[in-house]
Amino acid sequence: AQSVTQLGSHVSVSEGALVLLRCNYSSSVPPYLFWYVQYPNQGLQLLLKYTSAATLVKGINGFEAEFKKSETSFHLTKPSAHMSDAAEYFCAVNSPRGGTYKYIFGTGTRLKVLA
Amino acid sequence: NAGVTQTPKFQVLKTGQSMTLQCAQDMNHEYMSWYRQDPGMGLRLIHYSVGAGITDQGEVPNGYNVSRSTTEDFPLRLLSAAPSQTSVYFCASGPVVRGTGELFFGEGSRLTVL
Repeated sequence: AQSVTQLGSHVSVSEGALVLLRCNYSSSVPPYLFWYVQYPNQGLQLLLKYTSAATLVKGINGFEAEFKKSETSFHLTKPSAHMSDAAEYFCAVNSPRGGTYKYIFGTGTRLKVLA
Repeated sequence: NAGVTQTPKFQVLKTGQSMTLQCAQDMNHEYMSWYRQDPGMGLRLIHYSVGAGITDQGEVPNGYNVSRSTTEDFPLRLLSAAPSQTSVYFCASGPVVRGTGELFFGEGSRLTVL
């Protein structure tokens, strides 16, 4: 079975500081991994995705994530936080190459950016 | 430029009532899915479909039914609503089976069961 674990349900950073949101996955077949962002009262939007090409993936709004198979991790980073980054972030996994189309999300991390 | 459209946006039911949440997409996606979002629990997959006539259960399917008669529509039915089904429901579609894998989400339907 696939799963993702997001460490830290709430993360606070100062404006201009590094953002690091953690995601570890479990999958018995090669996974696809995703980060989504949710702003208040909205649906989720894709930030970036890993689908077995480059292990360092760049997304929108200056975010990037690195796939580390040895650590089963896909942590999301941004060098310098902006007030507009305040939102909830979700890591997700699925494995279509393994014939598994269940698309599983983590429990989310709410990012607060302090002025 | 509709994308994924969910109706209704808000609904209040009494325990035992039935209702259908509608979901339609105009992007010709083969994959459609329903999630519920509850505080502290993230998004949990209820049911999903990889094409017309094909559906499967997700993580929390009990109390919900789905069908997929067309590529565009994927309604979610609550046969006998319970207070535990109070939640925000999201429909999502995407080129998951054949394609790049991302999901496109509707704006959500907030359901309260009294």
